[in-house]
Amino acid sequence: ETGVTQSPTHLIKTRGQQVTLRCSSQSGHNTVSWYQQALGQGPQFIFQYYREEENGRGNFPPRFSGLQFPNYSSELNVNALELDDSALYLCASSAGGQDTEAFFGQGTRLTVV
Amino acid sequence: GQQLNQSPQSMFIQEGEDVSMNCTSSSIFNTWLWYKQDPGEGPVLLIALYKAGELTSNGRLTAQFGITRKDSFLNISASIPSDVGIYFCAGRPSNAGGTSYGKLTFGQGTILTVHP
Repeated sequence: ETGVTQSPTHLIKTRGQQVTLRCSSQSGHNTVSWYQQALGQGPQFIFQYYREEENGRGNFPPRFSGLQFPNYSSELNVNALELDDSALYLCASSAGGQDTEAFFGQGTRLTVV
Repeated sequence: GQQLNQSPQSMFIQEGEDVSMNCTSSSIFNTWLWYKQDPGEGPVLLIALYKAGELTSNGRLTAQFGITRKDSFLNISASIPSDVGIYFCAGRPSNAGGTSYGKLTFGQGTILTVHP
């Protein structure tokens, strides 16, 4: 168990709706990253938050946005959901220092219908 | 998006056999990581490599960071049924400095099946 918790574990939304996914980072970790994992694929980097600011972004449109709170927990928001947004969304936290690695939560399975 | 080239895509082996999988990239990486993912779970870190040429073991697992910094391999010796799962390589690009330690590029995964 990594200490990174995500909620909810499963979610079904309708195309066009908005969704918020939540992540609590491991104690002592100040950096949170979000990944999208489509079925049968490896995770794809969405963005990272450090000290409440976005610190790097992958190839995802602006309708994917996030927040990090003072306690280092984080939210991923997706607007105007599309069918292709159906995936496992993974949150990873790290201490942010040299040679420290990211530990993943169990993920949120999002299905868009 | 960019992904690493991981092979093989799947492996079917007998319990007790050794397993080898590898990952290559057209870009240089400063860090190579190997993760295992079970169904419905997030990836679990197995081994982390930080220097070109580094060879690191974790129990029955051994991984190496290629000299060119563009490849890595993972070996599993004497496989057991609980080794079943999907194994991913991941690299941290050389331009991901400072606090950007979460920016990982993943391979497509190797599905490992172990027959008792």
